[in-house]
Amino acid sequence: SAVISQKPSRDICQRGTSLTIQCQVDSQVTMMFWYRQQPGQSLTLIATANQGSEATYESGFVIDKFPISRPNLTFSTLTVSNMSPEDSSIYLCSGGLGTEAFFGQGTRLTVV
Amino acid sequence: TQLLEQSPQFLSIQEGENLTVYCNSSSVFSSLQWYRQEPGEGPVLLVTVVTGGEVKKLKRLTFQFGDARKDSSLHITAAQPGDTGLYLCAGGRSNAGGTSYGKLTFGQGTILTVHP
Repeated sequence: SAVISQKPSRDICQRGTSLTIQCQVDSQVTMMFWYRQQPGQSLTLIATANQGSEATYESGFVIDKFPISRPNLTFSTLTVSNMSPEDSSIYLCSGGLGTEAFFGQGTRLTVV
Repeated sequence: TQLLEQSPQFLSIQEGENLTVYCNSSSVFSSLQWYRQEPGEGPVLLVTVVTGGEVKKLKRLTFQFGDARKDSSLHITAAQPGDTGLYLCAGGRSNAGGTSYGKLTFGQGTILTVHP
């Protein structure tokens, strides 16, 4: 398995600002992903974080709004840019090993 | 687009009862995972099934993968208050080589509440 550490665990941000979320994996996972989740609901994949190259975004998510970096195999960041209250959500990163994925504890973002 | 339909969305039962959660799709998945999530935490992997017809047991939890790898079920026997949480099924989205590497499509989730 893999242990995923994510920070911050929560934040309250002003609209129009940006927040960068960090994700550290304790082992070299093959893939890293970023998801969004409303409390008590399912997870939606935002993008696949590719090491050393541009992330691969799912339909409805764009790089200008959610820039992602993955400078090495064990670290990735997700930035939520120019935030609005609609961006209030839980953001989760995961690391993939074989067929399985392991998740961080999530970042609960509130935009006011 | 591969979709997973999970049901029921909400389940409220008494301690000691049995329950089943279903996950269905029209698409074939290379693997299927079940997760449990508690408030303020990330999803925790319970089990992975990869072979059609596979059955796995984890104490009072029984997981089944359909023969055609399009559906799965989670059965809990004699539920306990500690089983309360959000249960999520997730299908592996494979690349051309047939491995998902953890890229998942999630069902809508089932919020389970077990009353003492």
